[in-house]
Amino acid sequence: GQNIDQPTEMTATEGAIVQINCTYQTSGFNGLFWYQQHAGEAPTFLSYNVLDGLEEKGRFSSFLSRSKGYSYLLLKELQMKDSASYLCAVLGSDYKLSFGAGTTVTVRA
Amino acid sequence: GAVVSQHPSWVICKSGTSVKIECRSLDFQATTMFWYRQFPKQSLMLMATSNEGSKATYEQGVEKDKFLINHASLTLSTLTVTSAHPEDSSFYICSAREVHRDYYEQYFGPGTRLTVT
Repeated sequence: GQNIDQPTEMTATEGAIVQINCTYQTSGFNGLFWYQQHAGEAPTFLSYNVLDGLEEKGRFSSFLSRSKGYSYLLLKELQMKDSASYLCAVLGSDYKLSFGAGTTVTVRA
Repeated sequence: GAVVSQHPSWVICKSGTSVKIECRSLDFQATTMFWYRQFPKQSLMLMATSNEGSKATYEQGVEKDKFLINHASLTLSTLTVTSAHPEDSSFYICSAREVHRDYYEQYFGPGTRLTVT
């Protein structure tokens, strides 16, 4: 099985940077995904890492260290619309996604 | 990215009745689809994996006779909640996997909010 941990909540100011950490313990690993989910909506894909290192995509970046079982999602130049839940998900050896509980990010003006 | 649709987006039904939820991949073929359930302020919990042309595989603790899954084509999977009870009220989300040569992408439908009264 998978054990995926991420902080429950984070608050930041508009224009700032926030880093959401995710640690995982798995019996197999085929990649790590980050999704954004607004209240009452389905998750939308943000990033996918399978190799160590940083993947940058606009204001969002994701980092992976497989040896440490660690990933982070970096949100830069925060906007009010970035207020949402961010889900860390690991693709296991069975090619099924297991999700963390999600981190609720609140962006203040 | 690819689009996955779900229908209905919300449904209210009486206890004891059955409800069918459809999940379609609109611009790609999905041999594998997934059904998740999400309770308020909780994360997505995988219920079952739906494979086109074969029986679904259910996660531990999910009753296969209660949550019937049919994956009749490469673009359609259905989840039927039979004899629904108030505790089945939840947000049901389907997901479809698109397979590329070197990687997978998994897209989510918009979800179906089920309320059982």
